[in-house]
Amino acid sequence: SAVISQKPSRDICQRGTSLTIQCQVDSQVTMMFWYRQQPGQSLTLIATANQGSEATYESGFVIDKFPISRPNLTFSTLTVSNMSPEDSSIYLCSVEVSLSGPQHFGDGTRLSIL
Amino acid sequence: QKEVEQDPGPLSVPEGAIVSLNCTYSNSAFQYFMWYRQYSRKGPELLMYTYSSGNKEDGRFTAQVDKSSKYISLFIRDSQPSDSATYLCAMSASNDYKLSFGAGTTVTVRA
Repeated sequence: SAVISQKPSRDICQRGTSLTIQCQVDSQVTMMFWYRQQPGQSLTLIATANQGSEATYESGFVIDKFPISRPNLTFSTLTVSNMSPEDSSIYLCSVEVSLSGPQHFGDGTRLSIL
Repeated sequence: QKEVEQDPGPLSVPEGAIVSLNCTYSNSAFQYFMWYRQYSRKGPELLMYTYSSGNKEDGRFTAQVDKSSKYISLFIRDSQPSDSATYLCAMSASNDYKLSFGAGTTVTVRA
């Protein structure tokens, strides 16, 4: 499996601001994903980060709110834009090392919006 | 009806007991089945990964898949306090990266 590092690990932000979360993997991976885990709930897929092209968003998530970049095979960012208290959540990066292999997760970014 | 059903518990057992966790699902296209363990303030950690029906054993952990019943299980033998965590089942169809997760079961192993 790969070693996945997420930064920041946690943050407290003001309403209306934006925060960019970084995901760095120690080896090249085929697929990278971003999830949201709200308190006491399971994981919801936000989008698939595609290298060199626009991310693929799931129903209910839009690029203006959650812009994603993936400039290479080891790095991706997720921005949470114009934040409101409803965006308080854990944001997780996951990777698929090989096609049809299992996904491995980072430790997440715990985000609180005041 | 949710695509994947998992009893959220909580489940509390004494040290040394067998922990039994399960999930049911409705999508017959699911072929890949996973169990993740999530400690507080950590990301999900892959425990077991199985394809199609059958059993898989890894140390104290056994995963079972019964596709005819759309039912998967995870057994933890000789449970330890360090096994206290939330256990998530997840599954996907062939050629589909999208994972469908259960709600997670919170397990506490009492010393």
